[in-house]
Amino acid sequence: GAGVSQSPSNKVTEKGKDVELRCDPISGHTALYWYRQSLGQGLEFLIYFQGNSAPDKSGLPSDRFSAERTGGSVSTLTIQRTQQEDSAVYLCASSTPSGTGGSTDTQYFGPGTRLTVL
Amino acid sequence: GDSVTQMEGPVTLSEEAFLTINCTYTATGYPSLFWYVQYPGEGLQLLLKATKADDKGSNKGFEATYRKETTSFHLEKGSVQVSDSAVYFCALSDLNMSGSEKLVFGKGTKLTVNP
Repeated sequence: GAGVSQSPSNKVTEKGKDVELRCDPISGHTALYWYRQSLGQGLEFLIYFQGNSAPDKSGLPSDRFSAERTGGSVSTLTIQRTQQEDSAVYLCASSTPSGTGGSTDTQYFGPGTRLTVL
Repeated sequence: GDSVTQMEGPVTLSEEAFLTINCTYTATGYPSLFWYVQYPGEGLQLLLKATKADDKGSNKGFEATYRKETTSFHLEKGSVQVSDSAVYFCALSDLNMSGSEKLVFGKGTKLTVNP
């Protein structure tokens, strides 16, 4: 079956512009996570969705970052007024949460979007 | 907060050598532990996992045992191959009040296996 997909695969933008990154999770996975992978900080959690709600936003680095999820499926991560320190690979992962009888705890990752802010 | 510490790389081995990558963790609860692997040009893939103390995860000849007494989850393989060259990440997840099972990662260890 199809895995997690992300688009675009690469995005180059100018400082100060807004960007939108998209994630299509595995069908039926109700949990969705965004992470960021950068040279300086390694892999960092950003936000967690259960269905369309985001009960854990503790990893968002500033109020320039926001995310939404619609229809319990596709999610969009938006970065406003991009800065050079936002350059990183943004990863999306989906899973079946604990207690639902699925493969609990295992998160399946997409290929990522490489964001470069000039 | 929760954290993961893994040995810094890079690690360079010859084919058929024994591999150990050390990983220790700090957590307030009872986390699940994972090893993820990132092959060159590819995305993160789960290699193995263990969800409770003394569990052993294994896959593709790799093994790791969840040691609560030493808060460790060291990755081992008896005989590495060139195709094992990749970056390896140790991680934990601990269910929190929000229902999140977010992963906390170590910084990664780059392994290069030479023929």
